[in-house]
Amino acid sequence: QVQLQQSGPGLVKPSQTLSLTCTVSGGSISDKTYYWSWIRQAPGRGLEWIGYVFYTGATQYNASLKSRVAMSIETSESHFSLKLSSVTAADTAVYYCAREDSRHTVFDYWGQGALVTVSS
Amino acid sequence: QSALTQPASVSGSPGQSITISCTGTSTDIGGYNYVSWYQQYPGKTPKLLIYDVRNRPSGVSNRFSASKSGNTASLTISGLQTEDEADYYCSSYSRTSHVLFGGGTKLTVL
Repeated sequence: QVQLQQSGPGLVKPSQTLSLTCTVSGGSISDKTYYWSWIRQAPGRGLEWIGYVFYTGATQYNASLKSRVAMSIETSESHFSLKLSSVTAADTAVYYCAREDSRHTVFDYWGQGALVTVSS
Repeated sequence: QSALTQPASVSGSPGQSITISCTGTSTDIGGYNYVSWYQQYPGKTPKLLIYDVRNRPSGVSNRFSASKSGNTASLTISGLQTEDEADYYCSSYSRTSHVLFGGGTKLTVL
């Protein structure tokens, strides 16, 4: 059974960089079928796709966040990461990592979610 | 690009059927059969209910069904149960944005 385990700080100061990591177990992070994605959900709001990283390191980001987002992958350690720079209170959200099946554009496995609060 | 459009809320009584709509454009829902639906309980991770417009993953109740017509996708829940009370999100592949989510619909079982 595929599992995604998230880690990272729950509190980030304004203007600083949010950093999260997602460790994959039970499946290969190098499988060409999947994109490794980040999705967020602001309090009381809907889901917002942030972007994905492929096992090759290729990335695609939400245009609205593109200037501040960087994703990377470390296949040897079976984890991938998100960095979001210059954060503001509007970036306060539950951040999820997820596996996207590229054949169907569907998120079939999710991390447990992590509330990241931007506050001084 | 704007999110897909869902009603903010729907309600129904136990045993009834309800339908949640999800409206997009020809560059997402209307152009591709990659519509998915997710169920989310408060404070919990979204769960995949439907993929490729109408397909259910193993383990999902057949009370959940879905379809698409033009730029609008629909999720139908039949034989409503109290445990169905949750938030529901649609998503679609988007030619311009890779993937879009709907704003979510809160289902209340009266």
